[in-house]
Amino acid sequence: EAQVTQNPRYLITVTGKKLTVTCSQNMNHEYMSWYRQDPGLGLRQIYYSMNVEVTDKGDVPEGYKVSRKEKRNFPLILESPSPNQTSLYFCASSLQGAYGYTFGSGTRLTVV
Amino acid sequence: AQKVTQAQTEISVVEKEDVTLDCVYETRDTTYYLFWYKQPPSGELVFLIRRNSFDEQNEISGRYSWNFQKSTSSFNFTITASQVVDSAVYFCALSEAGGGYQKVTFGTGTKLQVIP
Repeated sequence: EAQVTQNPRYLITVTGKKLTVTCSQNMNHEYMSWYRQDPGLGLRQIYYSMNVEVTDKGDVPEGYKVSRKEKRNFPLILESPSPNQTSLYFCASSLQGAYGYTFGSGTRLTVV
Repeated sequence: AQKVTQAQTEISVVEKEDVTLDCVYETRDTTYYLFWYKQPPSGELVFLIRRNSFDEQNEISGRYSWNFQKSTSSFNFTITASQVVDSAVYFCALSEAGGGYQKVTFGTGTKLQVIP
């Protein structure tokens, strides 16, 4: 089944403790992207990548890192999480950006 | 800078009523794509449709239809004879050719509640 898999689905962590949210797609898509969803703000793009080793900042990149060492994987790294990063995170992939994205199931992160 | 506005925060309709969700966008690019996504209460995001800036033909898919008007920078979504299963948050989104279509801007979403 074609899908984008994110892990974990839920995560509660403490301020400052480094964490990684994994994202993997099995569709051989070139494009991958991370979004955060907050009430009243919709989805905002954190980082995107059009190919291996090619990443770029979206609208809200502060406090996040990504890497694209393999085509299928695009992990999101929070080096020192803070409470304002409490949010619902989505990873997405697309064959080409103009085609529309397939989204993962989301990761609900709470930073206390 | 690209921008998407969904002015309707929440809409409630009674089942079988028609409902239109508004989407207004801003872009300086002449080449771009517009999208609609659905987020049901279960939380996943589902791609519904995309439309490129050169194709102003309206599209119909079952009870769903989309009206794209470049003159008013709008890409509205109509659900005919709404059903309870249509209850969801709907997002409109825009990506520009200038950014290789990678940079995607979403609206803030419209929550639709269909009352039985």
